[in-house]
Amino acid sequence: EAQVTQNPRYLITVTGKKLTVTCSQNMNHEYMSWYRQDPGLGLRQIYYSMNVEVTDKGDVPEGYKVSRKEKRNFPLILESPSPNQTSLYFCASSQDRKQETQYFGPGTRLLVL
Amino acid sequence: GESVGLHLPTLSVQEGDNSIINCAYSNSASDYFIWYKQESGKGPQFIIDIRSNMDKRQGQRVTVLLNKTVKHLSLQIAATQPGDSAVYFCAENKRAAGNKLTFGGGTRVLVKP
Repeated sequence: EAQVTQNPRYLITVTGKKLTVTCSQNMNHEYMSWYRQDPGLGLRQIYYSMNVEVTDKGDVPEGYKVSRKEKRNFPLILESPSPNQTSLYFCASSQDRKQETQYFGPGTRLLVL
Repeated sequence: GESVGLHLPTLSVQEGDNSIINCAYSNSASDYFIWYKQESGKGPQFIIDIRSNMDKRQGQRVTVLLNKTVKHLSLQIAATQPGDSAVYFCAENKRAAGNKLTFGGGTRVLVKP
């Protein structure tokens, strides 16, 4: 089954404790991206990757890092999480950089205390 | 600034009636628009898209209308069903800006039995 998976689905952590949210897709998609979703603000792009070893900032990259060592995986790293990073995070992928049809993962709800 | 927004944050509709969800965009350079549906606890799911050289596109029970004159996009759902209850997002793609998707804030559709 074609899908985008994220882990963990739920995470509670404390300020400053490094964490990684994994994202994996099995569709051989070139393009992957991370979004955060906050009430009233919709989906905002954090980082995206057009292919292996190619990443770039989205609209709200501060406080986040990503890597794309393999085509299927695109982890989101929070080196020192802060409470304002409490949010619902979605990973998405699409066939190519046109990203016209993005497939979204199920989401990761993060609470930073 | 550039924006994609929705007129109505919540729409209540009787089961069997038609639903219309509206979206305004401000960037006339946007050339591709997408509607996503997000059910509770899930990631956004692609519904239908339309390119800027079209003014109407139909899918199964859904129709998207694009009015470039007033920069307005709408999603019509025919014979709304309980399973249509969700949050709906419009998104615009500006290829001149590197195929960047910008999402609106979302409209919640509640279907009353």
